[in-house]
Amino acid sequence: KAGVTQTPRYLIKTRGQQVTLSCSPISGHRSVSWYQQTPGQGLQFLFEYFSETQRNKGNFPGRFSGRQFSNSRSEMNVSTLELGDSALYLCASSLEGRAYYGYTFGSGTRLTVV
Amino acid sequence: LAKTTQPISMDSYEGQEVNITCSHNNIATNDYITWYQQFPSQGPRFIIQGYKTKVTNEVASLFIPADRKSSTLSLPRVSLSDTAVYYCLVGGDPREGSQGNLIFGKGTKLSVKP
Repeated sequence: KAGVTQTPRYLIKTRGQQVTLSCSPISGHRSVSWYQQTPGQGLQFLFEYFSETQRNKGNFPGRFSGRQFSNSRSEMNVSTLELGDSALYLCASSLEGRAYYGYTFGSGTRLTVV
Repeated sequence: LAKTTQPISMDSYEGQEVNITCSHNNIATNDYITWYQQFPSQGPRFIIQGYKTKVTNEVASLFIPADRKSSTLSLPRVSLSDTAVYYCLVGGDPREGSQGNLIFGKGTKLSVKP
């Protein structure tokens, strides 16, 4: 079956702009989580959506937001981009949001802010 | 969630067995131990999960002593393609769900040489 698809794979934006990233989970999976990965901070949890509702949120500023559609596809938006937002953004899907073994990650979107 | 400590890096040669140990002194009674593997510019991939004693699958074994304060991921006969970062995660009962909030540490960068 198809894996988790993230688009675009690479993105270059200018400071102050906004960006929208997309994640299509595995068919049938209702939970989508987003993570930011940087060399300095490692992998950090952003938020999780389940059945179109944000169920859990990490410690990121309000510039980071997301949503989930009725087909479980999810988008993540970052407004007023800062240089420090340059990172690999990963999404993970899960059937029910069960812990640990049930998560399948996509290959990520590499965002570069200049 | 229990904090984990792993070696920052390890080197090995093709064909050798590699053991990566993770310390988690504050593991709770209902915590499970899970290992993920990550290649550059890809999302983490689930390898193995366990609660106590020993778990084995087609790619790895997980050894957990009786006190559960540490665990060891064992990779038999590594190849160059096993060069990756390995993360040890400790957290709640997977039957209850973690709502997407996987806590990743710094991981262990394994380099396999020919």
